[in-house]
Amino acid sequence: GAGVSQTPSNKVTEKGKYVELRCDPISGHTALYWYRQSLGQGPEFLIYFQGTGAADDSGLPNDRFFAVRPEGSVSTLKIQRTERGDSAVYLCASSGGTVGSPLHFGNGTRLTVT
Amino acid sequence: AQKVTQAQTEISVVEKEDVTLDCVYETRDTTYYLFWYKQPPSGELVFLIRRNSFDEQNEISGRYSWNFQKSTSSFNFTITASQVVDSAVYFCAPHTNAGKSTFGDGTTLTVKP
Repeated sequence: GAGVSQTPSNKVTEKGKYVELRCDPISGHTALYWYRQSLGQGPEFLIYFQGTGAADDSGLPNDRFFAVRPEGSVSTLKIQRTERGDSAVYLCASSGGTVGSPLHFGNGTRLTVT
Repeated sequence: AQKVTQAQTEISVVEKEDVTLDCVYETRDTTYYLFWYKQPPSGELVFLIRRNSFDEQNEISGRYSWNFQKSTSSFNFTITASQVVDSAVYFCAPHTNAGKSTFGDGTTLTVKP
């Protein structure tokens, strides 16, 4: 079946603007993750959903970042008042949700804040 | 909190050589899973192998093998007879029962023809 889909693939925005990044997980996957990856570094955990609820949002850097998954499928990561330091590749992953299930990643959204 | 150390930032080998990628991790969990992922130049992270913490039997899958030692918190990954297509960044990632994976900063492997 189809893999994890992320849109847009690239987003350029001005400092101070609001952005939304979308993730469409693999059908049937109950767990959904958002990570952020800067150049030369590994993915940094942001938030994890099990179904509709955020099971762990400890990685969100501040209250400008928010994510939702209202129907337990598609998720949107929302960033308010963007800053240049928010520039990175935002990765979404989904998994079957059982313990030990590997993560299946999308191609990411490259966010550039000018 | 979990922490992952991949001490080898970059490795370069010639095709057909064997190469081992090192990973040392820290976790407070008594049971957990360990993963290796590959990120080729195209950018998409791909799952490679998985090991659970309560079984230290080492395994081989094709050209991949892994050595897990819980006593030293190490989970090393070996590619046998490397190929140019193996060139990528490789990430080690412990995964807790609570559902979260923590990634290291990766090892960039270059396989030269």
